[in-house]
Amino acid sequence: TQLLEQSPQFLSIQEGENLTVYCNSSSVFSSLQWYRQEPGEGPVLLVTVVTGGEVKKLKRLTFQFGDARKDSSLHITAAQPGDTGLYLCAWTGNQFYFGTGTSLTVIP
Amino acid sequence: DTAVSQTPKYLVTQMGNDKSIKCEQNLGHDTMYWYKQDSKKFLKIMFSYNNKELIINETVPNRFSPKSPDKAHLNLHINSLELGDSAVYFCASSPTPQGVAFFGQGTRLTVV
Repeated sequence: TQLLEQSPQFLSIQEGENLTVYCNSSSVFSSLQWYRQEPGEGPVLLVTVVTGGEVKKLKRLTFQFGDARKDSSLHITAAQPGDTGLYLCAWTGNQFYFGTGTSLTVIP
Repeated sequence: DTAVSQTPKYLVTQMGNDKSIKCEQNLGHDTMYWYKQDSKKFLKIMFSYNNKELIINETVPNRFSPKSPDKAHLNLHINSLELGDSAVYFCASSPTPQGVAFFGQGTRLTVV
């Protein structure tokens, strides 16, 4: 059983479209992190959300932490080919646990 | 300077061999990790090492052993390699177990 389930698993969209990626769990978390992994590289932190209901923006990326701190979403506005990559949510307890991942491809 | 560096980047070896992957971090972090990323891109924690305390994922075969000569290094040694060990292995570090994880570029291991 995965602690963090992400959906969709794969997403292929045209440049300029909007999209939302979800990270869900039945557990309550003190915080969640989002990472992006580009091909041939390791994951890189995008954001950490801490407070239930919190919304953080990073240019065209909007991150939200659910009110109950069990889920999170990542919305990308006007996707660009440079957004292509694997998006991972993560929980930190005594170790880092990563979600199942969403592989995004933005087609020019 | 690369914050977390792994060597080698690619490793092709035959079944039954023993191999090591090296990892070094120059961030002064106290915690280091090894992850295995399979063909489905799932990142699975293998080990974490914090202040000489080793936490082992119980599903990791004992053919895998981490070795930490000092706080900046956490190497991964694998005995009797099997076909199923083929994957990308990532080293990471963080200032604390709850901090931000910084990853190396990964080592693509192919067992033939």
